[in-house]
Amino acid sequence: DQQVKQNSPSLSVQEGRISILNCDYTNSMFDYFLWYKKYPAEGPTFLISISSIKDKNEDGRFTVFLNKSAKHLSLHIVPSQPGDSAVYFCAASASQGAQKLVFGQGTRLTINP
Amino acid sequence: DVKVTQSSRYLVKRTGEKVFLECVQDMDHENMFWYRQDPGLGLRLIYFSYDVKMKEKGDIPEGYSVSREKKERFSLILESASTNQTSMYLCASTFPGYNSPLHFGNGTRLTVT
Repeated sequence: DQQVKQNSPSLSVQEGRISILNCDYTNSMFDYFLWYKKYPAEGPTFLISISSIKDKNEDGRFTVFLNKSAKHLSLHIVPSQPGDSAVYFCAASASQGAQKLVFGQGTRLTINP
Repeated sequence: DVKVTQSSRYLVKRTGEKVFLECVQDMDHENMFWYRQDPGLGLRLIYFSYDVKMKEKGDIPEGYSVSREKKERFSLILESASTNQTSMYLCASTFPGYNSPLHFGNGTRLTVT
């Protein structure tokens, strides 16, 4: 059973527009959420995170929104740039879970010039 | 900059062979992890360790074991490789604390024939 789901395997966005990547989770014990970005032939790199005590966290062009009642989070990238083309993984953990991150399947984002 | 180094970029092994995947980090991180990445499944946790000689099973430990004799090194062992263990293997490390992000190596692409 997939506790963290990214239902869109791919997303294509025009340069300069907003990219919105979505993630759903089922485990109500999750209280910390992260987004990682992965380029081909490289390991994932940490992008942004949010604790369940917040509903929004912003870092430059990247904003993560958390809707606890819907068990849904999203990553907004604005404006999108060609260098943002990568696979994005959503991940979740429970604070009592010794950093055992549960990852989604990933969404491949392509930014078109 | 944190560096997590995986000893091999590509490996090809035969069914039944014993396989060692090595990972070294240079940031004095206490916690280390082994994940495998498969299309449509995202990253799944195999084993993790939060101290030398300590290990805990992740979500998919069957067919694998680990060794952590030194703080900086975490090895993944496939006791008898099988074709369903063909995958991308990713090592990660971090400090304790559920909000400390993982730092990943670039991965080892293992093919078992």
